Amino acid sequence: GAGVSQSPSNKVTEKGKDVELRCDPISGHTALYWYRQSLGQGLEFLIYFQGNSAPDKSGLPSDRFSAERTGGSVSTLTIQRTQQEDSAVYLCASSPGGTGGQLFFGEGSRLTVL
Amino acid sequence: AQSVTQLDSQVPVFEEAPVELRCNYSSSVSVYLFWYVQYPNQGLQLLLKYLSGSTLVKGINGFEAEFNKSQTSFHLRKPSVHISDTAEYFCAVSSNDYKLSFGAGTTVTVRA
Repeated sequence: GAGVSQSPSNKVTEKGKDVELRCDPISGHTALYWYRQSLGQGLEFLIYFQGNSAPDKSGLPSDRFSAERTGGSVSTLTIQRTQQEDSAVYLCASSPGGTGGQLFFGEGSRLTVL
Repeated sequence: AQSVTQLDSQVPVFEEAPVELRCNYSSSVSVYLFWYVQYPNQGLQLLLKYLSGSTLVKGINGFEAEFNKSQTSFHLRKPSVHISDTAEYFCAVSSNDYKLSFGAGTTVTVRA
């Protein structure tokens, strides 16, 4: 498709389970971002990938969170041993790269941890 | 590091009335400024951006914003809103790197 695609759109899981969220960026975009949007709060930066460079993981809230990007395209965000405070909308964005560039966002994956 | 403060969390407004959404930022370096909009059940999309040049920036759907360096502000305005402008609006800032810092968002509700 033409836009950023995320799956699943909704995920309900039990506390302690692992979840994987997938992001398919716009073709040709070298930069990929994950943000977290919690109710009543802004977007919290999680991780950034740019080409073959080492990712910026400075926003990951704990070692239960990890992400990878295979072949410079699709990315997977993994949350291990989920907690209730992990409930949020996880947004993926891609960009052609470069400073000041526009981010193109997916519709997000809504995670609910019971 | 930079941060963004959106001064209003909720803005109710009547149709065809003007609206202003306030955004202030803090940064020790030159910045790029953005407004994104999130319509119900949709992803964020760019409304407008300031990179350099004219401090008055025009965006989509009749929105505009003015960069004020001395007041470190980037307020968003529209002279006449429509019901379809009901959405959440996010101000964002980046400096000379790739990372955007977002404000907490302003929910605009347009009433007939």
